[in-house]
Amino acid sequence: KQEVTQIPAALSVPEGENLVLNCSFTDSAIYNLQWFRQDPGKGLTSLLLIQSSQREQTSGRLNASLDKSSGRSTLYIAASQPGDSATYLCAVTNTGFQKLVFGTGTRLLVSP
Amino acid sequence: GAGVSQSPSNKVTEKGKDVELRCDPISGHTALYWYRQSLGQGLEFLIYFQGNSAPDKSGLPSDRFSAERTGGSVSTLTIQRTQQEDSAVYLCASSLEILNSPLHFGNGTRLTVT
Repeated sequence: KQEVTQIPAALSVPEGENLVLNCSFTDSAIYNLQWFRQDPGKGLTSLLLIQSSQREQTSGRLNASLDKSSGRSTLYIAASQPGDSATYLCAVTNTGFQKLVFGTGTRLLVSP
Repeated sequence: GAGVSQSPSNKVTEKGKDVELRCDPISGHTALYWYRQSLGQGLEFLIYFQGNSAPDKSGLPSDRFSAERTGGSVSTLTIQRTQQEDSAVYLCASSLEILNSPLHFGNGTRLTVT
């Protein structure tokens, strides 16, 4: 059974810092990995999708990497801003299945 | 364009009553998913649809839960004889294809069973 873990559970940083969020998964037979953000009282917004054959994806100040063999992904946020404050979730799709398995998220607070 | 729309946004019901939650996916999206998010918990998969069919119902917690999708569009999640443990935020998502397409989530329905 796939299990997805995110560390840390919460993170507080001052504005301008670069930061890394971690995601690990127990079953490396994945089809893809996605990173989402969730604002309070809202649904999830897709940030980046990395296919299993890819090593990384970039969008603006966000960069996500994937090391499938070791079961790890990182989300790098450059020059953090207060607007980046949210909960960040990673999720994997296992090969042969069509559902995402989510981690419990990292709650990020960026202070002005 | 319009995103995924869910209604109602909030629902308070008495234990034992039936509730129906609605999801309008993005037009043209063939895949539709239901997830449940309880306080302090991660997202729990309930069911997904490919078109109108539901190949994987493994996540439905009990036979009190059912879902359908009609016309490859609107989906309803029905909970019969609600229990307090059913209280959660029910999230719907759609994607263009089943695999390798980003999921687009609605804002959810917050269900409170008293």
